[in-house]
Parts: sequence; C-alpha cells; structure tokens
Amino acid sequence: DAGITQSPRHKVTETGTPVTLRCHQTENHRYMYWYRQDPGHGLRLIHYSYGVKDTDKGEVSDGYSVSRSKTEDFLLTLESATSSQTSVYFCANRDVQNTEAFFGQGTRLTVV
Amino acid sequence: LAKTTQPISMDSYEGQEVNITCSHNNIATNDYITWYQQFPSQGPRFIIQGYKTKVTNEVASLFIPADRKSSTLSLPRVSLSDTAVYYCLVGALPPGGFKTIFGAGTRLFVKA
Repeated sequence: DAGITQSPRHKVTETGTPVTLRCHQTENHRYMYWYRQDPGHGLRLIHYSYGVKDTDKGEVSDGYSVSRSKTEDFLLTLESATSSQTSVYFCANRDVQNTEAFFGQGTRLTVV
Repeated sequence: LAKTTQPISMDSYEGQEVNITCSHNNIATNDYITWYQQFPSQGPRFIIQGYKTKVTNEVASLFIPADRKSSTLSLPRVSLSDTAVYYCLVGALPPGGFKTIFGAGTRLFVKA
C-alpha cells in the first residue's frame, strides 16, 4: 500500500465547521492525490500534488483546499463543511517511475 | 485525457471466465491502459497495465486490439472473492500524466 495512512478514519462534523483530513506517506513518492467516492459516481479527483508546494485542482475541487509543505504529508481542508461533502475520501500516491497508484484505506466523513 | 466507457455491472458464476470491455475511442499515442480493482470499504488496487496486444500477470490478462480504441480485462475462473468494482483508466505514463482519473467502473458480482 506504499505506506499511506489516512487520519482520521471516521469523522462526524457539523455544517459550517472546518475539517482537515491528513494523508501521510512513508515512501516519499512525488505525486499525491485526494479523491472522494460517492454512490453512483465512482472516484472523483479533488486535488493532486506533483511535488512539495505544487498542487492543482481536479474535477471536483470547489469547497476544498490542499497543502503539501513536505513530501510525506498531503492535507485536505474543507473550509466550511456542507452536507454535500459527506463522502468517503481516499488519498493515493504514485512514484515518478511507477505507473501504479497506491491508495489509503479511506476516511468516512459525515457532515450533519 | 481519454474518456472511458464501461458496463455499469456484470454478473457471473464461480469458475467462469469474465471479460470486461472498456471503450476509449479518443486514446492518444502516448496513453497506456490501466485497470484497478476495488473491494467495499477499501481503496482501489492496481491489477494490470498495457499499451498494446496482450499482457498477462498472475491475476488477469489484458487484451488490446491494434487500433487501441478498446481493451478487455479477462479474469480467469472467477471466485466469490472477485466480486468488486473494476475501473479502466487511460492516460499517459504515469497513468493520466500528473492526474489519475477514474470513471464509474464496472461492478462485478460473482455468484455461487
């Protein structure tokens, strides 16, 4: 699993509160990704990073921000959580020389 | 990024060979084809990748015709544990370039 740890694994939060999800890797892979998964939508890319301090938007980035201040950590922040952001969030990484992406176990976020 | 089209779901029985076809009419010269498997409550897992003709590993085979506008994932003698969602991805090495884009996938249900 390329040493990916997501935290927390489960979280319930209230609408309007800020939430930060953490993805930590032990492999120092260059590329890291945040996805959300909802019934009927498969996996949708939120943001990705191609290096420290280098990030870009995916297909569903509205309402989310990310930061990558060091190689091993990629943070996903919901500035003001909404019920539509209730989802399972997956982090993934991939090395420059590797065609395979490795995924974490996911974070189930519920916004009430 | 090339768009992919897969069947939404498929049913099979234990011991049968299962073939899942993915259409990618707009595949580019530099694009590779990659398949992932996802079990409930887990992140996706890499199965196989190819560029042309046939690729085989211990888990599956991937058939790619000469025009590369489609590909077929073949799972030999499936078991109940192969019940999962299978995703087809198309993109430049690394898959999708910087991005790794998933579609909705094919839900395979294996019956006893």
